[in-house]
Amino acid sequence: AQKITQTQPGMFVQEKEAVTLDCTYDTSDPSYGLFWYKQPSSGEMIFLIYQGSYDQQNATEGRYSLNFQKARKSANLVISASQLGDSAMYFCAMREMGTGNQFYFGTGTSLTVIP
Amino acid sequence: NAGVTQTPKFRVLKTGQSMTLLCAQDMNHEYMYWYRQDPGMGLRLIHYSVGEGTTAKGEVPDGYNVSRLKKQNFLLGLESAAPSQTSVYFCASRHLATRQGDYGYTFGSGTRLTVV
Repeated sequence: AQKITQTQPGMFVQEKEAVTLDCTYDTSDPSYGLFWYKQPSSGEMIFLIYQGSYDQQNATEGRYSLNFQKARKSANLVISASQLGDSAMYFCAMREMGTGNQFYFGTGTSLTVIP
Repeated sequence: NAGVTQTPKFRVLKTGQSMTLLCAQDMNHEYMYWYRQDPGMGLRLIHYSVGEGTTAKGEVPDGYNVSRLKKQNFLLGLESAAPSQTSVYFCASRHLATRQGDYGYTFGSGTRLTVV
């Protein structure tokens, strides 16, 4: 079974609008971390935001927020006030604290911001 | 600048040739990883290391070998390259997490390898 599922291969959003990128995960470990990374066309992987499974509040980092719904096992990334520079691939990832040694990545969502 | 440095950035190999990719980090991270990224498949773990002198297999280890003789370096070797190994390779590192609130990997900039 897939550990991380991203069902949106591609998304479009108008500049200055908000967009939600979906991510669901599968784990039986009660302690885990969820991450989002951005990969622009230049290729580097940029860490955006982190959510721990025991965190009571949704994580926020500037224009990024993580909509964490533990019972549904979803960890959607919300980007507010989209900018042209947000056009990139976005990867959701999870690390299970029990095994601890590797991250599981989704297949990514390609976001295009339209001027 | 501190971070993870991968060399080379680009390489073209002929089938059957060998090569080594170097990953170097100067953040004193304990853990280091090699991933490959292929279209539509996200990042898949090849091998990883939890410390100097130790390595372990990941999800797709076949055709690759690794070594971590020094804490700051993690080498990925292809003994006999195949076209199926055409990919973008990423190295990553992180600290040993002491509590749940770790902040993920630091990635290198990637190596684009083509095997013809």
